[in-house]
Amino acid sequence: NAGVTQTPKFQVLKTGQSMTLQCAQDMNHEYMSWYRQDPGMGLRLIHYSVGAGITDQGEVPNGYNVSRSTTEDFPLRLLSAAPSQTSVYFCASSYSPSGRAYGNTGELFFGEGSRLTVL
Amino acid sequence: AQKVTQAQTEISVVEKEDVTLDCVYETRDTTYYLFWYKQPPSGELVFLIRRNSFDEQNEISGRYSWNFQKSTSSFNFTITASQVVDSAVYFCALSEGGAQKLVFGQGTRLTINP
Repeated sequence: NAGVTQTPKFQVLKTGQSMTLQCAQDMNHEYMSWYRQDPGMGLRLIHYSVGAGITDQGEVPNGYNVSRSTTEDFPLRLLSAAPSQTSVYFCASSYSPSGRAYGNTGELFFGEGSRLTVL
Repeated sequence: AQKVTQAQTEISVVEKEDVTLDCVYETRDTTYYLFWYKQPPSGELVFLIRRNSFDEQNEISGRYSWNFQKSTSSFNFTITASQVVDSAVYFCALSEGGAQKLVFGQGTRLTINP
């Protein structure tokens, strides 16, 4: 198993450009999420999904779009990059030990991270 | 609203010392989950422990131990006989049992000096 795979690992963009961070998992996890990590602020949730076709906003969703057409993939789109989006992005997948969508949070498995710089 | 506070931004100790990383959380729910993750210099996030709000038993795993106290809303992490390889940023996180969403603390950068 590859676990959670993120691409690209590094990316430099100019302000206003668009791009997609790819995330794929092969553990058949229902839940996937995107976090950004900024110095001194820990990780903050951008968007998450509890299953194919279902997405919702996290703490810092502005400027980002997501979709979940399959269980395996959860891409994060930056429509018009801004310098404030310079960050390290982590994709994560997880499961519910109880099998229920809510009420029981399992371990999050993280990808290796994608470092994005917006000039 | 849920919140996690790791008041110690950086800690530096000499190898073989014991060190405790503090974590204080806020939540209105009675059912919640607490986590610790390690982020070594290589940057990946490594899961250490998950604890639910109904289980206040302390946990020990090798040199690592965790003290969960609901009365003080704390979930502290102790490394005994620290080693250089323990140098990393450690994150405490909280989930209110909904949809696998975690709220992270700011992280504590631990440096173990030889």
